[in-house]
Amino acid sequence: SQQGEEDPQALSIQEGENATMNCSYKTSINNLQWYRQNSGRGLVHLILIRSNEREKHSGRLRVTLDTSKKSSSLLITASRAADTASYFCATDKGSNYKLTFGKGTLLTVNP
Amino acid sequence: DTAVSQTPKYLVTQMGNDKSIKCEQNLGHDTMYWYKQDSKKFLKIMFSYNNKELIINETVPNRFSPKSPDKAHLNLHINSLELGDSAVYFCASSPGETNTGELFFGEGSRLTVL
Repeated sequence: SQQGEEDPQALSIQEGENATMNCSYKTSINNLQWYRQNSGRGLVHLILIRSNEREKHSGRLRVTLDTSKKSSSLLITASRAADTASYFCATDKGSNYKLTFGKGTLLTVNP
Repeated sequence: DTAVSQTPKYLVTQMGNDKSIKCEQNLGHDTMYWYKQDSKKFLKIMFSYNNKELIINETVPNRFSPKSPDKAHLNLHINSLELGDSAVYFCASSPGETNTGELFFGEGSRLTVL
């Protein structure tokens, strides 16, 4: 069964606005990761947050993790047209050999 | 230099044919993976190898046979192709069990079965 579920499935915003994407999962995890995929390209790792962390920042990205609710959010501040992509959360259940991905959120940032 | 490279990028073939996709990583990683991304962008793990040993086989039909001649290469051979095999296949690598878990992906191989 799928581990991560992103919400919303699609999000359209204007340049300069903030974008928030959510991810829910079903079982206990060691860490949760967010990836970005530009159209027709491979996935690129953005940020990893461990189960004992609650918040992490990287540039314009902020990730939160609530293990009690089994959910995470990815916030992109001051969005740019170049942020247009699909964003996926991925979880592991204790094995680094198996990351389970959600279905992704398609973010469109309009100039 | 491309970290994870896979070939071919596009593959169009007829049902029933056999095809292969090759993957190479120059990152010195111990672990390599094949993922399948369907038309709805759902990404599912197929196989994972660690130091040439098969670690994960996610109930993939045995028409799919991965081969890892060395830890820098992981190839995927598919026999008797079916329409449902049409997808984008991604190769990825990671340092191994002691790492943070980050995967490095190739650019994908889009397979279209007619």
